[in-house]
Formats: sequence, structure tokens, C-alpha cells
Amino acid sequence: KAGVTQTPRYLIKTRGQQVTLSCSPISGHRSVSWYQQTPGQGLQFLFEYFSETQRNKGNFPGRFSGRQFSNSRSEMNVSTLELGDSALYLCASSFGGTTNTEAFFGQGTRLTVV
Amino acid sequence: AQTVTQSQPEMSVQEAETVTLSCTYDTSESNYYLFWYKQPPSRQMILVIRQEAYKQQNATENRFSVNFQKAAKSFSLKISDSQLGDTAMYFCAFKENNAGNMLTFGGGTRLMVKP
Repeated sequence: KAGVTQTPRYLIKTRGQQVTLSCSPISGHRSVSWYQQTPGQGLQFLFEYFSETQRNKGNFPGRFSGRQFSNSRSEMNVSTLELGDSALYLCASSFGGTTNTEAFFGQGTRLTVV
Repeated sequence: AQTVTQSQPEMSVQEAETVTLSCTYDTSESNYYLFWYKQPPSRQMILVIRQEAYKQQNATENRFSVNFQKAAKSFSLKISDSQLGDTAMYFCAFKENNAGNMLTFGGGTRLMVKP
């Protein structure tokens, strides 16, 4: 079956702009989590959505937001982009149970802010 | 808050040899899950192995095995018969029980397998 699909793969934006990233989970998965990966801070959890509701949230400013649609596809939005937002953004999907359900990752969206 | 520490930023190993990557974590929880993920240059994060904290037996997946020491809060990954395709970043990750799918990652270890 198809894996986790993130679009676009690469993105270049200017400071002050906003950006929307998309994540289509594996069919049947109801949980989508987002992570930011940078050389300096490593992999940091942004938020998790389950059945269209935010279930967990990391320690990021309000400029970072997300949502999930009824088909489990998720989008994350970053407003008023800063240079420090340049990163690889990864999403992961899972069935969503609160016990040990494996998370499958997409290939990421590489965002460059100039 | 949970923290995960990988003390070896880089490691190298000769093809066919064995290498061990270290990971320690800090938590006050008694029920949790630990994972090792591999991230090759393609950037795709791939689950290598997982361990449930309530299981005393160490997990094994083919050439990959872990040494889980709950009291010491240590979770090392052993790769046997290293292959060139094992070259990648390896991340140790922690997840609380009943915490959805929120993973806390270590800083990663870059592993180079040399021919």
C-alpha cells in the first residue's frame, strides 16, 4: 500500500511569507504527527492530530499551526516565516491507538526561508 | 519532561563487523516504549526496532538487537554483520504510554560502514 506522502518535497519562501505543507497518511491511519528537523535542534515534535483533533502539542510558537481533515490528511501552516524556520519537516502517520502503534514517516518537505 | 541522549555523534565500523550505538533516557514514567530509527541520505525515517518497557526480553530484528537496561535507563542498539546499506543517521526515540504518537528523539548518531 502507498506510504506517507508529503508535498511539496522542496520549498523556498521569503521571510515574512506563510507556507502550507501537506501530509497524506497511509490508508486507514488516523493519527498524523509533525516534526521539525534542523542541524542545531535535531528532531522536535510539533503537534499530533487524531480524528481531526489536536491531541498533543510541542513547544513551538503560535505561528506554527495545523489541521486534519475528515480523510485524515493533514496540513501544517507556518505564518510570518523566519530564517530559523528553515528545516526538514517530517510527518508520521499511525493507526492512532494510545498504545504502541508504529509511526511511519514520509520523506519530508525541505523548507528554505531566504 | 523526557529527554533522550545519544552520546556518540559519529561512529564508523568495518563491513561485516559489529557496532553498538548508545542511548540513555530520563523519565519518571514506568510504562513507555523505546525505538531506534534509521535515516539514510534519502531522509526517510525507517523504524529499525522497538522495545516495550514492560518486556524484560530484549528485542531482536535480524541483525539488529537491543540491550535494554530499565534501571539504568539505557537502550543501546547492536548491529551485527554491518553492511554498507547500514550507513545512515540513527535516532533513539522515546514514547510514553497513552501519549498518542508523540516521540522524543535523541540527537542522533551518524554511522559510517566502511568497505
